[in-house]
Amino acid sequence: DAKTTQPTSMDCAEGRAANLPCNHSTISGNEYVYWYRQIHSQGPQYIIHGLKNNETNEMASLIITEDRKSSTLILPHATLRDTAVYYCIVSPGGTSYGKLTFGQGTILTVHP
Amino acid sequence: GAVVSQHPSWVICKSGTSVKIECRSLDFQATTMFWYRQFPKQSLMLMATSNEGSKATYEQGVEKDKFLINHASLTLSTLTVTSAHPEDSSFYICSAILDSHGYTFGSGTRLTVV
Repeated sequence: DAKTTQPTSMDCAEGRAANLPCNHSTISGNEYVYWYRQIHSQGPQYIIHGLKNNETNEMASLIITEDRKSSTLILPHATLRDTAVYYCIVSPGGTSYGKLTFGQGTILTVHP
Repeated sequence: GAVVSQHPSWVICKSGTSVKIECRSLDFQATTMFWYRQFPKQSLMLMATSNEGSKATYEQGVEKDKFLINHASLTLSTLTVTSAHPEDSSFYICSAILDSHGYTFGSGTRLTVV
C-alpha cells in the first residue's frame, strides 16, 4: 500500500474550517484515499473516502488533486468534539479491499 | 448503519491467564475481519487478518500461538490473548470490511494485565 505523509499536529479555532493535508505521492491507480479519525480511547470512525473526484458528505469534504498525489480533508465548521487524531490512508477499494495501514496521523486540536 | 460490536470494552486480568475479545458484525456479514493493537500514544498496528472459515493471516512479528483468532461465522470473530503478560496490555480493535465506506471499526478493548 502507498504511504501517506501528514503533519503531526494542527490547531483550529471553533467554528472555523479545518483543512487537513495529506501527501500520497506513490498512490496507485486502484487505490482510494480514506480518512478516519480516532477520538481518545475509541475505535476509528469513518469520515469519507474518494478515488479521483472530490467528495462531500455530512461530516466533511475531500479534495483530491488532479494528479492524486495529495488530498485535503475539510471540516467546514470545526467544533470542540472534532478534536481527534485524523488518519489519511490509501488502500485498494471496490472489489479489492486490502488491509489498512495506519500512519501516525494528524492530531487536530479545536480550541474555543 | 452497520456496526461492529466489540466486547468487552475493558478487561483486567492476572498475568498468565487468557482473555477472549469478541467482535460481532451487526446487520451485515463480515467475511474478513482485521485485528489491531494500539499502545499509548502510538498508531494502530495490524496484528492479523481473519477470514471466515479459514486460518488467520498474521503480520510479521505477531505470535499466532499467543494471539488466537477464530472466525467461525460470518458475524463473529474472536481474539484470545493466551498466557497474558503485562507487556500485552494494550488497546485492541477489530475492523470489518463494509462496502459502503471501506472499513468499520469496533469500539476497542482496553486490556490491562496485572
